[in-house]
Amino acid sequence: DTAVSQTPKYLVTQMGNDKSIKCEQNLGHDTMYWYKQDSKKFLKIMFSYNNKELIINETVPNRFSPKSPDKAHLNLHINSLELGDSAVYFCASSPGGQGTYQPQHFGDGTRLSIL
Amino acid sequence: DQQVKQNSPSLSVQEGRISILNCDYTNSMFDYFLWYKKYPAEGPTFLISISSIKDKNEDGRFTVFLNKSAKHLSLHIVPSQPGDSAVYFCAASGRTGSYQLTFGKGTKLSVIP
Repeated sequence: DTAVSQTPKYLVTQMGNDKSIKCEQNLGHDTMYWYKQDSKKFLKIMFSYNNKELIINETVPNRFSPKSPDKAHLNLHINSLELGDSAVYFCASSPGGQGTYQPQHFGDGTRLSIL
Repeated sequence: DQQVKQNSPSLSVQEGRISILNCDYTNSMFDYFLWYKKYPAEGPTFLISISSIKDKNEDGRFTVFLNKSAKHLSLHIVPSQPGDSAVYFCAASGRTGSYQLTFGKGTKLSVIP
């Protein structure tokens, strides 16, 4: 059973389009995250979210928005896609609240390519 | 600015020998450190962690050492096995960052049979 699953695994789309990436975790974790791994291979936090608090990395453009229909899901919506958005996006989750140290469990990533 | 640095992009080690992966950090507010392992086309997998109140944590073949004064940590794998070949990411967390993880760029380890 996959603990953190993301769909789609690959996403190819045109500049200017709006797209979503879905993430689901079946670990019962309270906090979920989105990371971006760019061409330089850095993994950078974009958002962390639990049912009480959304923390946004200040460098993330407001074209990116997380949406959580319930505790097990944190989807990523991207509006007006740009060439620089091409990257691998990873979803992750961790138990407990944001005020604790807990290892995060990652999905296998979604490779987004903008044409 | 890179707050977590892994200065060796790659490392090759013979099977059975020790692998030592290094990581340096600049933010003195970091107080929890983790190592993740990543295979191609998969997400990072948690390997081992250490709190700043310790200087060593061991789990089977994996040991992490922390030198707070030098702002340096290392991951030792002994003995190294071909299945250990992967990219290893160092990550750090601290209360001022809302416990979010800051990752290094990764070191690709190749264990040669």
